[in-house]
Amino acid sequence: AQSVSQHNHHVILSEAASLELGCNYSYGGTVNLFWYVQYPGQHLQLLLKYFSGDPLVKGIKGFEAEFIKSKFSFNLRKPSVQWSDTAEYFCAVNAHRNAGNMLTFGGGTRLMVKP
Amino acid sequence: DSGVTQTPKHLITATGQRVTLRCSPRSGDLSVYWYQQSLDQGLQFLIQYYNGEERAKGNILERFSAQQFPDLHSELNLSSLELGDSALYFCASSVGDRERYEQYFGPGTRLTVT
Repeated sequence: AQSVSQHNHHVILSEAASLELGCNYSYGGTVNLFWYVQYPGQHLQLLLKYFSGDPLVKGIKGFEAEFIKSKFSFNLRKPSVQWSDTAEYFCAVNAHRNAGNMLTFGGGTRLMVKP
Repeated sequence: DSGVTQTPKHLITATGQRVTLRCSPRSGDLSVYWYQQSLDQGLQFLIQYYNGEERAKGNILERFSAQQFPDLHSELNLSSLELGDSALYFCASSVGDRERYEQYFGPGTRLTVT
């Protein structure tokens, strides 16, 4: 079975600091990778996704992620965070299977950005 | 706004009761998914329907059941509720049923079991 690990549970940064959130998955086959964000009291929104091609993926709001297949990692980065980036971030994977489209999520990382 | 709607937003009920959560997918989407978000278990996939048929099943308890109707809306039925069922239940939808289709999430239904 596939699993996803997010090693940072809570991150506190000051505005303008750089961000990197770790995500590792375990699955030996082909996967699609996602980062979702959940702002306080809101639903999950897709930040970016990787299906194939260039392993450096750019998403919305200045976020990017790099897929490193050899490390089974898909880390999220942003060069300069803003107070409005305060949210919970989820990494998710779906494996190419015979049927279905289930997402497996990591435990989430709560980011707090201090103004 | 993702275009996925869920009702009700909040639900408070007692142990042993049964509730029904409703989801309407985005226009044109044929797949509906249910996820549970709790403090203990995090965000977990429960079940997927595609055009009325069950497509994939995750960690869904036997006390829980779901269905997708001909108009493509879906309902998640939770019965014999326990305190541990208190959670946020998300519905998501996508155009197709396979991994290349992006899922769009609804605002969720917060269930509190007392």
